[in-house]
Amino acid sequence: DAKTTQPNSMESNEEEPVHLPCNHSTISGTDYIHWYRQLPSQGPEYVIHGLTSNVNNRMASLAIAEDRKSSTLILHRATLRDAAVYYCILRSSNTGKLIFGQGTTLQVKP
Amino acid sequence: NAGVTQTPKFRVLKTGQSMTLLCAQDMNHEYMYWYRQDPGMGLRLIHYSVGEGTTAKGEVPDGYNVSRLKKQNFLLGLESAAPSQTSVYFCASRPVPRDEKLFFGSGTQLSVL
Repeated sequence: DAKTTQPNSMESNEEEPVHLPCNHSTISGTDYIHWYRQLPSQGPEYVIHGLTSNVNNRMASLAIAEDRKSSTLILHRATLRDAAVYYCILRSSNTGKLIFGQGTTLQVKP
Repeated sequence: NAGVTQTPKFRVLKTGQSMTLLCAQDMNHEYMYWYRQDPGMGLRLIHYSVGEGTTAKGEVPDGYNVSRLKKQNFLLGLESAAPSQTSVYFCASRPVPRDEKLFFGSGTQLSVL
């Protein structure tokens, strides 16, 4: 299964954009890129996913590199409620498995 | 609509005891997953199911068994609990193969003494 690599932690100021990077150099051609976030004492929450093209939804944007070996989750305007652990995950198209990495802990400063 | 419900929320076991964790979803989802999460770590996949009557191994299946006799339920069993199985367990479900979004339960905190 392909793996993802993320920075352990990042900081942001409230109301500023945040770019969370993820490397997945061993991604296969049909693996989907997922992002989930987890607040303390809660289960993970879906944020966004994509395959090849950039994606936007009400929570965030996902920018995928042309070679698909990396991607970036973009929070356009960070709020204190966005402080969480963000996981970049690849979903195997062969098995359907979603393998989580270590995640990035995002701190948002007021 | 309850979503994904995990039972129990907390449990303390002694080494060697057995127990079953229940995951129930009321969304008619096809795929279901069991993950464990240890302090400071991401989630690791234990077992998963792509439909009623099917199960498959994930990253860390040893010491666990699962069953999916009914579409809405996915059971995770520990036959002989060990301290290394102390963890928070999360269940998740996904609608159909083409729907990518996973829905998670709120977790079960299990301690094995």
